[in-house]
Amino acid sequence: AQTVTQSQPEMSVQEAETVTLSCTYDTSESDYYLFWYKQPPSRQMILVIRQEAYKQQNATENRFSVNFQKAAKSFSLKISDSQLGDAAMYFCALLSGNTPLVFGKGTRLSVIA
Amino acid sequence: DSGVTQTPKHLITATGQRVTLRCSPRSGDLSVYWYQQSLDQGLQFLIQYYNGEERAKGNILERFSAQQFPDLHSELNLSSLELGDSALYFCASSVRGIGSYEQYFGPGTRLTVT
Repeated sequence: AQTVTQSQPEMSVQEAETVTLSCTYDTSESDYYLFWYKQPPSRQMILVIRQEAYKQQNATENRFSVNFQKAAKSFSLKISDSQLGDAAMYFCALLSGNTPLVFGKGTRLSVIA
Repeated sequence: DSGVTQTPKHLITATGQRVTLRCSPRSGDLSVYWYQQSLDQGLQFLIQYYNGEERAKGNILERFSAQQFPDLHSELNLSSLELGDSALYFCASSVRGIGSYEQYFGPGTRLTVT
């Protein structure tokens, strides 16, 4: 079975600082995709970044980047130069094989001015 | 804006009633997924349709059903509603079927059962 674990229920970061959110996953598939979704107070689910398992290079989207460690089945999200608008719930998600998208339980990020 | 639309945004109804939630996928997307997010819960996959056919089923109650129409919009029907059905219901769409790529989410329908 595919599982996604986010071990940090809550995190906080000072504005302009960097924060890393952790995610580990488990799948027996060799071909899979990993995602980070952001859910702000509006409750909209926003795709932040994606990573294909076959790519060795870590994905980057502006201030957001990932550290993908395939052997360790780890997929952390780094947010640089944190902004107040980054405050949200962040969900890690795994798409593999013929199973639906599996989400972690989320990490609530607070940004302190 | 993800390009996925959902109506209505909010719905308040009584126990025992039936409601229909509607979703229009992004232009070109053939797959539609339904998720339920209860308070303090993560997202639970309910069901997926691909080009009009049911493709995968998750933790969907027998009181719930869905369909995807020829124009690719989808409806989620919830019947005999209970207080515990109060949740945020999301629709998401992607280009192809399971295992193909990222899903884009609509704004959700907030259902309150009183």
